[in-house]
Amino acid sequence: DTGVSQDPRHKITKRGQNVTFRCDPISEHNRLYWYRQTLGQGPEFLTYFQNEAQLEKSRLLSDRFSAERPKGSFSTLEIQRTEQGDSAMYLCASSLNENVKLFFGSGTQLSVL
Amino acid sequence: GESVGLHLPTLSVQEGDNSIINCAYSNSASDYFIWYKQESGKGPQFIIDIRSNMDKRQGQRVTVLLNKTVKHLSLQIAATQPGDSAVYFCAEGKIIFGKGTRLHILP
Repeated sequence: DTGVSQDPRHKITKRGQNVTFRCDPISEHNRLYWYRQTLGQGPEFLTYFQNEAQLEKSRLLSDRFSAERPKGSFSTLEIQRTEQGDSAMYLCASSLNENVKLFFGSGTQLSVL
Repeated sequence: GESVGLHLPTLSVQEGDNSIINCAYSNSASDYFIWYKQESGKGPQFIIDIRSNMDKRQGQRVTVLLNKTVKHLSLQIAATQPGDSAVYFCAEGKIIFGKGTRLHILP
């Protein structure tokens, strides 16, 4: 499968714990995006990378959230001191340069208890 | 503020009929708009895009119409099939997504 893959598919954690998600984009795609989606809503943009550079971050992204893409390939999204309000589906997408077509992974479903 | 919204949260259509899903946007500076399909348990899937300098674009069984005067976008699906059941989102570029419309296909 050469699509965007995310790991894990599901994560249950206790409030206050740290969690980390991984995204592997399509190999030739240099742009990688993170979104958050809650039930009944569309995806909310969080941040994106071009190669290893993080070019934009949403104002929604609190300082408890950090994303990295150290080698310009896979990316990680870490949430520190999780809160119940962080419960959501975290989606990753990739694209080739400024191509309008985004390819999404299946997401990581986070539940904070 | 910037927003992309949808007129109907749920749409039920008879199999074989055409479906029309609507979307309103507020940021007239957008260069392009995109429609996505999201099936249960999956990420959104790109359907079709339209540049802001276009009024209409056709794909396979789908047509997107853009009315910049009233800031309205629509997705028309011809001869709706059971596999079209999903939530459909319009998006403004890669940043702003609407809330989605769930499309139900009636047998």
